[in-house]
Amino acid sequence: IAGITQAPTSQILAAGRRMTLRCTQDMRHNAMYWYRQDLGLGLRLIHYSNTAGTTGKGEVPDGYSVSRANTDDFPLTLASAVPSQTSVYFCASSAVRTGELFFGEGSRLTVL
Amino acid sequence: GQNIDQPTEMTATEGAIVQINCTYQTSGFNGLFWYQQHAGEAPTFLSYNVLDGLEEKGRFSSFLSRSKGYSYLLLKELQMKDSASYLCAVLDSNYQLIWGAGTKLIIKP
Repeated sequence: IAGITQAPTSQILAAGRRMTLRCTQDMRHNAMYWYRQDLGLGLRLIHYSNTAGTTGKGEVPDGYSVSRANTDDFPLTLASAVPSQTSVYFCASSAVRTGELFFGEGSRLTVL
Repeated sequence: GQNIDQPTEMTATEGAIVQINCTYQTSGFNGLFWYQQHAGEAPTFLSYNVLDGLEEKGRFSSFLSRSKGYSYLLLKELQMKDSASYLCAVLDSNYQLIWGAGTKLIIKP
């Protein structure tokens, strides 16, 4: 089934460690997004990419970086994890300039 | 600033009707979206409104009034599987989605 694959689905990480969350889509969507979701706060955009080779900052980009080397892959990297980055992370994709997003199953990250 | 408001939690009875409201203040408007999110799962797209009026899709309907900055999601013939969070989101002038915090809907037998 076509869609978005995220890995890992769950991870416990020591503070200060580097971590990359992987995201791959096979729908040939140009736009991709990384969100974090915390209880009571809803979805907050971390970074986005409207097309391969370009990226942009969302609402909460600090402490995170992304790359978009090709259409399918959009990894999110935490250079030095901190406990406040404990969250559920969702990768999503869409056609550009539309709000109909397709989400991956999420990556639950715990930073101790 | 941009803001989307929706109730935090609602409770309804199986078989009944429930209306979940959403009000928004955003920089421009390119459409309003409703998503459903079951606990522990990813959000999934439910509906899209860009013009005023009611859009019906089976047991679910979504209404939009752009002049009032208001939308609602109407769920009829509630089923236990409708227990979920419902997220309202607006596509702003930069084609970025602005998300509400979501409404947790609890269905009781």
